Amino acid sequence: DAKTTQPTSMDCAEGRAANLPCNHSTISGNEYVYWYRQIHSQGPQYIIHGLKNNETNEMASLIITEDRKSSTLILPHATLRDTAVYYCIVRKWKTSYDKVIFGPGTSLSVIP
Amino acid sequence: DTAVSQTPKYLVTQMGNDKSIKCEQNLGHDTMYWYKQDSKKFLKIMFSYNNKELIINETVPNRFSPKSPDKAHLNLHINSLELGDSAVYFCASSQEGPTGQNYGYTFGSGTRLTVV
Repeated sequence: DAKTTQPTSMDCAEGRAANLPCNHSTISGNEYVYWYRQIHSQGPQYIIHGLKNNETNEMASLIITEDRKSSTLILPHATLRDTAVYYCIVRKWKTSYDKVIFGPGTSLSVIP
Repeated sequence: DTAVSQTPKYLVTQMGNDKSIKCEQNLGHDTMYWYKQDSKKFLKIMFSYNNKELIINETVPNRFSPKSPDKAHLNLHINSLELGDSAVYFCASSQEGPTGQNYGYTFGSGTRLTVV
């Protein structure tokens, strides 16, 4: 089973910030939070990841709560091209041996 | 340049046939994966190879056999295809940094397999 829970779907007006929440209450100390998105039926695309500090890159910002049990992905100015399924996963920092499950994610619809 | 490429993109075949899906990555990553995406949009890992060595082998039927001739290639061969094998199969790769940190997956564009 996936270690994260996300709302099934969300809408966002074009040009506004999209805030996508994720709960990961069983996260352990050596696990990072990663966000990916899948546009239509393409392969998932990496967005951002973090451990405990807030992170920002050219695509998005990641806010992680102090207890690390939840996080929020922020797309500051959503465009129609941001319509996709967004996956939040947790993964150990130091191994490729993790049996990660993506899904089902949040289906974000950006509305004109 | 395509970082992780899979072929074919679409595959329609009859029950009982044997088919292969090929994957190549030009990122120099050490680890490659096969994921299966079901109709409910869950992506579940099937296999993982690190430097040509099998490190994850999830509970999949032994009709599925991965092969990694070198660390840039990971192919998936499926024998005696069944209706339930219909899904989208994604190849991915990842790399651990000098101190072991993982930079996440790079996925291919997927192979939509339809068994009729």
